[in-house]
Amino acid sequence: NAGVTQTPKFQVLKTGQSMTLQCAQDMNHEYMSWYRQDPGMGLRLIHYSVGAGITDQGEVPNGYNVSRSTTEDFPLRLLSAAPSQTSVYFCASMRGNVRRSGANVLTFGAGSRLTVL
Amino acid sequence: AQKITQTQPGMFVQEKEAVTLDCTYDTSDPSYGLFWYKQPSSGEMIFLIYQGSYDQQNATEGRYSLNFQKARKSANLVISASQLGDSAMYFCAMKRENQGGKLIFGQGTELSVKP
Repeated sequence: NAGVTQTPKFQVLKTGQSMTLQCAQDMNHEYMSWYRQDPGMGLRLIHYSVGAGITDQGEVPNGYNVSRSTTEDFPLRLLSAAPSQTSVYFCASMRGNVRRSGANVLTFGAGSRLTVL
Repeated sequence: AQKITQTQPGMFVQEKEAVTLDCTYDTSDPSYGLFWYKQPSSGEMIFLIYQGSYDQQNATEGRYSLNFQKARKSANLVISASQLGDSAMYFCAMKRENQGGKLIFGQGTELSVKP
């Protein structure tokens, strides 16, 4: 299994440009999320989805859009890139909640490093 | 609101010794889950251990154990017999029971293992 696949791994944008970070998982997980990681701040949730067609905002959603048309894919769109969006982005997925089980594991992609000039 | 606090920005440990990484959390939810992740210098996030708030026993996974003290709202990670490969950032995280994929992370602790 490939797990969670993110593309691209690296991207440089100019202020105002738009782009889409792709995320795909092949584990049939219900839940998918996008996080950003900035130095000294841990990971912060941008958007998440509990299933196809259902998305919701996380802690830092401004400037980002998501959609979930299939179980497998959860792309993150930057509408008009700003230098403040320079960060490492992680996509993650998780199967449905299973009580009393170590299966409550969020599996991460390898990350996408974005630089906005 | 939920919050995770890791008060140790950086720690050193001698190879083969045990080390405890601190994590305290704040939540008013009766059911929640606690996680520890490792992030080596290569950048990937590696799941280490999970503890449910309803679990009676502390979770263990090989050399990792989670010292869960519910009344004190702490979920410290204990690494026994440290290895050089344990040098990495370690993140504590939590989620509400029915909010899959929605984790709150602490700021992390950078662990350095000395030979």
